[in-house]
Amino acid sequence: EAQVTQNPRYLITVTGKKLTVTCSQNMNHEYMSWYRQDPGLGLRQIYYSMNVEVTDKGDVPEGYKVSRKEKRNFPLILESPSPNQTSLYFCASSLFGDLGIQYFGAGTRLSVL
Amino acid sequence: GNSVTQMEGPVTLSEEAFLTINCTYTATGYPSLFWYVQYPGEGLQLLLKATKADDKGSNKGFEATYRKETTSFHLEKGSVQVSDSAVYFCALSEGKGAQKLVFGQGTRLTINP
Repeated sequence: EAQVTQNPRYLITVTGKKLTVTCSQNMNHEYMSWYRQDPGLGLRQIYYSMNVEVTDKGDVPEGYKVSRKEKRNFPLILESPSPNQTSLYFCASSLFGDLGIQYFGAGTRLSVL
Repeated sequence: GNSVTQMEGPVTLSEEAFLTINCTYTATGYPSLFWYVQYPGEGLQLLLKATKADDKGSNKGFEATYRKETTSFHLEKGSVQVSDSAVYFCALSEGKGAQKLVFGQGTRLTINP
């Protein structure tokens, strides 16, 4: 089954404790992206990757890191989480050139206390 | 920069009512336009798309027409069902390969039996 898998689905942590949210896709997609969803703001792009070892900032990259060592995986790293990073996070992937048709994971709800 | 504006929610309708969710956009060039739907507890999934002016996207009884003259992409359905209850996002694609999605803020729709 074609899918984008995120883990964990729910996470509660404390300020400053490093965490990683994993994302994996099994569709051989070149493009992967991380979004955060906040009430009244829709989804905003954090980072994206056009292919292995190619990553770039989205609209709200501050406080986040990513890596793309393998085509299928695109982890999101919060080195020192802060309460303003409490949000719902989505990973997405697509075929390059597929004109915005993206496949989303089920989401990770993060609370930073 | 490019942006998408959706009608404020939440929207509550009775089953079999007619649905319109307004969406307007601001963009340079000619972006593709999308409606994504997010069912409770799930990630977003593509509902329909249109890639050029006057195109009509349709799926599951939903329709939207790309109107360049009014920069709009309103979502409509003639007779809604309880199972249509979800959050609906209008989006446009931009950037290299039109990969990046810019989302509206989302409209929560609740259908009562």
